Amino acid sequence: SQQGEEDPQALSIQEGENATMNCSYKTSINNLQWYRQNSGRGLVHLILIRSNEREKHSGRLRVTLDTSKKSSSLLITASRAADTASYFCATDYGNNRLAFGKGNQVVVIP
Amino acid sequence: DAGVIQSPRHEVTEMGQEVTLRCKPISGHDYLFWYRQTMMRGLELLIYFNNNVPIDDSGMPEDRFSAKMPNASFSTLKIQPSEPRDSAVYFCASSKPGQGDRKLFFGSGTQLSVL
Repeated sequence: SQQGEEDPQALSIQEGENATMNCSYKTSINNLQWYRQNSGRGLVHLILIRSNEREKHSGRLRVTLDTSKKSSSLLITASRAADTASYFCATDYGNNRLAFGKGNQVVVIP
Repeated sequence: DAGVIQSPRHEVTEMGQEVTLRCKPISGHDYLFWYRQTMMRGLELLIYFNNNVPIDDSGMPEDRFSAKMPNASFSTLKIQPSEPRDSAVYFCASSKPGQGDRKLFFGSGTQLSVL
């Protein structure tokens, strides 16, 4: 899972399988966001979940948030080769700054 | 919209040289952020601006780094003198006003190599 101090995690799956990655954080948040980064590119916002929400969906993405455990998970269903990327969680502590995790590298094998 | 535009995409320079990275945020965005990405430390926030005013520069590594935003459509990050440990990808990001949930729009980054 991601948090500030952990090494990036790597996940290799077959096309069509689901990919799940986790993120943990330390203190109360306003919201938690997930971003994707393709190799050599900037980060792209995927989905945001507020602190009073428990689950959110966007297309093939499903995000959950457990504020009691200070953790979130991102599920990508029916993965495609184009989903190969690094995925970052970012926490908004309400101070106009986003704190990013170190990322999860996902490789989807066609 | 063209998105956040950064230049140059790649910069190779020698130790001791001055480096200037440039960023054009998305029109109408009132916050601008400079991040640095390395394998060791991940994404680090260096500095951010609100309405062209620097708000928090606590992430700037040392006095060799400086950033300016002379107007709403342009920002620079300067390193003088550069050192090999400054080698990284530098990202600029902007976000919209009036957004309680602040989402960032990133540029494609500048890959800096200091030899």
